[in-house]
Amino acid sequence: EAGVTQFPSHSVIEKGQTVTLRCDPISGHDNLYWYRRVMGKEIKFLLHFVKESKQDESGMPNNRFLAERTGGTYSTLKVQPAELEDSGVYFCASSQVVGREQYFGPGTRLTVT
Amino acid sequence: GNSVTQMEGPVTLSEEAFLTINCTYTATGYPSLFWYVQYPGEGLQLLLKATKADDKGSNKGFEATYRKETTSFHLEKGSVQVSDSAVYFCALSTTNTGNQFYFGTGTSLTVIP
Repeated sequence: EAGVTQFPSHSVIEKGQTVTLRCDPISGHDNLYWYRRVMGKEIKFLLHFVKESKQDESGMPNNRFLAERTGGTYSTLKVQPAELEDSGVYFCASSQVVGREQYFGPGTRLTVT
Repeated sequence: GNSVTQMEGPVTLSEEAFLTINCTYTATGYPSLFWYVQYPGEGLQLLLKATKADDKGSNKGFEATYRKETTSFHLEKGSVQVSDSAVYFCALSTTNTGNQFYFGTGTSLTVIP
């Protein structure tokens, strides 16, 4: 069974540019989560999808971040325009049942210069 | 609110030394507790978990006991190996917060031969 995959693994962009991160969850997992780890700090929740619906987006930092999950399969997280403080590692996770183990992808390291 | 505090790193140990990584939490409701591990270049992997007070999670020689009276979930291993070098994250989830995970800042462990 394939795990959670994320693309790209690294992205370096300039301030003001746009970046789109992609996450492919484990097949059959209705729950998809995005998290972010800023350098040296804790991993923080961004949002939670159940199928294609946003269940909880309380962790999204501001309206420069837009997450979508078309058709309830893969998800994208777009940052537009990017700011320096958006740099960090963005993790995606999926789970079959809410409350059970979440399976994490390898993360996308975003650097905004 | 919900939060996790874990000991600051980095931690450097000699092979076969005893490991303790402290983790304490605050939570509303009845949390489940987790330890995740991130090996170099990889995503987060679940190491062990406990879902109720006094439960002990164990895996690969690591153990942690859910202590409600001290709100702690310390990670221990009796004899570490070089292959245990990684970053360890303590985390909690609660049913009344949509089961998003709350993570600590991570503790980097390096085991030297």
